[in-house]
Amino acid sequence: GEQVEQRPPHLSVPEGDSAVIICTYTDSATAYFYWYKQEPGAGLQLLMSVFSNVDRKEEQGLTVLLNKKDKQLSLNLTAAHPGDSAVYFCAKGTGGLSGKLTFGEGTQVTVIS
Amino acid sequence: EAAVTQSPRNKVTVTGGNVTLSCRQTNSHNYMYWYRQDTGHGLRLIHYSYGAGNLQIGDVPDGYKATRTTQEDFFLLLELASPSQTSLYFCASSARGRNTEVFFGKGTRLTVV
Repeated sequence: GEQVEQRPPHLSVPEGDSAVIICTYTDSATAYFYWYKQEPGAGLQLLMSVFSNVDRKEEQGLTVLLNKKDKQLSLNLTAAHPGDSAVYFCAKGTGGLSGKLTFGEGTQVTVIS
Repeated sequence: EAAVTQSPRNKVTVTGGNVTLSCRQTNSHNYMYWYRQDTGHGLRLIHYSYGAGNLQIGDVPDGYKATRTTQEDFFLLLELASPSQTSLYFCASSARGRNTEVFFGKGTRLTVV
């Protein structure tokens, strides 16, 4: 079945700098891809979703790139601030349901002031 | 406001014990899901359901049963808990479709000693 590998597992980012998280998936099926943010003690917050016919999407300081040739999804956080400190997950939709997801392992992002 | 409520938020049980995790959604969603989150694995789908009385097997179902008693309520049952089931469990709900919003609960931390 589908597998999603996420790197790096940990990321320390000086405040104001940019950070990139990359996910590599295995299957090529048409799908939705998602980025979630998890803060301590909270559930998962959807940051952005992109369909597989999209190469690039930007929203509120975040840029998502989808490279279908290399089967890679990336999240670029620009101008990081302390509120960006959290665990970030990529996910790929499976089975035609938005909640049926294959997740990456997660990346702990720490923004250093 | 859309909500997914999990109870209890924390649970400690002994090996071989019987545990029930509860989830209630007030979103009028058809689909509900149970995930477990473990370091190095991200979130993995245990079971899901598309309505009262329905149960679908996810990616890591071994050792778990689930029951959907109403549209609102979805329960995860561990009848012979083992230390390997120590994890953070998330419930989620969504409407039908590939890109409908998914709402996650805040999680239940289960420790099996």
